[in-house]
Amino acid sequence: EIVMTQSPATLSVSPGERATLSCRASQSVSTNLAWYQQKPGQAPRLLIYGASIRATDIPARFSGSGSGTEFTLTISSLQSEDFAFYYCQQYNNWPPFTFGPGTQVDIK
Amino acid sequence: EVQLVESGGGLVKPGGSLRLTCTASGFSFITYSMTWVRQAPGMGLEWVSSISVGTTYIYYADSVKGRFTISRDNAENSLYLQMNGLSPEDTAIYYCTRVGKAFDLWGQGILVTVSS
Repeated sequence: EIVMTQSPATLSVSPGERATLSCRASQSVSTNLAWYQQKPGQAPRLLIYGASIRATDIPARFSGSGSGTEFTLTISSLQSEDFAFYYCQQYNNWPPFTFGPGTQVDIK
Repeated sequence: EVQLVESGGGLVKPGGSLRLTCTASGFSFITYSMTWVRQAPGMGLEWVSSISVGTTYIYYADSVKGRFTISRDNAENSLYLQMNGLSPEDTAIYYCTRVGKAFDLWGQGILVTVSS
């Protein structure tokens, strides 16, 4: 089973600032890596797939990069609606599909 | 509207059973594999089970294998999760998801509480 880790657990950022979230896989997942955003009381929403491809209707301030075992989600200029939990997920070697433990982005 | 809507959750006693239903609309259900993901209170996301379009391929997380059964009815645009032998550790919000470009469509989730 591929284990996903994320850092930091919590990221405190001021509106308008840049946020950088990291995700690491215990073995290579190529670019079969997705990022999801989850706000309190809501279902997760797909942000990024293929490590760097924005999903439909996702703003350009969200970008993903990386391959193999190291990945990054960058939010270029945080908006109020971006304060949420973010999860990475690998879909290269499955079952099982595995998620990281999440990063909470909160207001500084 | 493209959406997934879960139903069938609720409170059940340990050892009990529950059947979740996910109804799809607004897209061609028959062309997508489908998946159940759950989230325990205050916790992260856990993949539960997946089923291919023609039900040829079915997979379960070790934590539910032998207790849960995934199925689908393509004519009814519906996905199911039969849950037997429930324990308090199964308490979670259960999400139905579409497997397209990753898990690209999620239902709103349905709460399952296992408690005496």
